Amino acid sequence: TQLLEQSPQFLSIQEGENLTVYCNSSSVFSSLQWYRQEPGEGPVLLVTVVTGGEVKKLKRLTFQFGDARKDSSLHITAAQPGDTGLYLCAGEPPDYKLSFGAGTTVTVRA
Amino acid sequence: NAGVMQNPRHLVRRRGQEARLRCSPMKGHSHVYWYRQLPEEGLKFMVYLQKENIIDESGMPKERFSAEFPKEGPSILRIQQVVRGDSAAYFCASSPPVFAPFNEKLFFGSGTQLSVL
Repeated sequence: TQLLEQSPQFLSIQEGENLTVYCNSSSVFSSLQWYRQEPGEGPVLLVTVVTGGEVKKLKRLTFQFGDARKDSSLHITAAQPGDTGLYLCAGEPPDYKLSFGAGTTVTVRA
Repeated sequence: NAGVMQNPRHLVRRRGQEARLRCSPMKGHSHVYWYRQLPEEGLKFMVYLQKENIIDESGMPKERFSAEFPKEGPSILRIQQVVRGDSAAYFCASSPPVFAPFNEKLFFGSGTQLSVL
């Protein structure tokens, strides 16, 4: 089992502030995905990172994959209430079974 | 997650009853995955199916749980003699026939929240 640890578990910030959530593992992944899940809904894919050191930007969201492909971070600039949700990282091992972290619950207060 | 349909959205069962959860994959998708999510835990892989075949059920409890994906109709996750510990959100995901890496390969449904009284 390839364990993915996400931190922090909970994060509450004011609208306009920046935030970073982390996803760490002792295992190497061929790719890593970030999902956002809203209450009562399934996860929705935000991005897939593949190459060690890769940085991807999606509007105010910046995703980085560690050089060793064991960790990743998600940075949100000028957070908005619409960014509220559960952020999950999932690593793709050599097989198809994605390993999910427990998630970071982000609350952005207006 | 548009297109993966799960029903019911909420299911309440008493201990000892059976629960049947249904999942219709996206059009054109022939691979189905079931995941279970407990509060403050990540999604845990349960089973991977293709049409009429169980490919991997290593994440599914050996007793009381079964899954199928018939040639026609939705995939079914069946839990017999439910216990309170089975209470969780069960998510289904589907992917296209060619599991291309580095693509958006998994699309999730909205889940079924199972509550066992």
